[in-house]
Amino acid sequence: NAGVTQTPKFRVLKTGQSMTLLCAQDMNHEYMYWYRQDPGMGLRLIHYSVGEGTTAKGEVPDGYNVSRLKKQNFLLGLESAAPSQTSVYFCASSPRRDNSPLHFGNGTRLTVT
Amino acid sequence: EDKVVQSPLSLVVHEGDTVTLNCSYEVTNFRSLLWYKQEKKAPTFLFMLTSSGIEKKSGRLSSILDKKELSSILNITATQTGDSAIYLCAVGDSGGSNYKLTFGKGTLLTVNP
Repeated sequence: NAGVTQTPKFRVLKTGQSMTLLCAQDMNHEYMYWYRQDPGMGLRLIHYSVGEGTTAKGEVPDGYNVSRLKKQNFLLGLESAAPSQTSVYFCASSPRRDNSPLHFGNGTRLTVT
Repeated sequence: EDKVVQSPLSLVVHEGDTVTLNCSYEVTNFRSLLWYKQEKKAPTFLFMLTSSGIEKKSGRLSSILDKKELSSILNITATQTGDSAIYLCAVGDSGGSNYKLTFGKGTLLTVNP
């Protein structure tokens, strides 16, 4: 009954450090997404994947990389963190069909100092 | 570029009041409009509206899609303090073979006792 699981839940980085956020889903969903949420900005799409081995850029991809080596996992990497990347990051997944609600993880709160 | 605009951005009401939240959109290949409720953590799905299902109702919440006006409303009657949350509107676009959601900035609803 896990659904979408994000790790870690919280992280503090110094400017220039790197890290990887992990998203895992156990619903056999084809589509996976990474969003960031900032106050007053809603949810903005960073990258998404329509299947294992595929990735595509969203609205705000700069400074991030992603990989989908296994169907159930979607990784978001920050190679050189910047204060502008302080945000709450949400992963989501959906089945391979149109008009499907996204299932969200509980988010990762990242602070870059 | 897809665009979703929600209004008002914030709203404060008293328990028992009725509220109407608005969402307008501009998308290239409209597939669906979704409403989510976000409290502390992950957004939770409320409704999905499509060309074949333009009105949905669940308890005190209801939503209507106006495809001519490219907009939707979310109504909450007899509000309760537990309705306090951010309400997110998202529009599904299936440009090409990919399906992704674009979110509005959200409406912060505060229901006071």
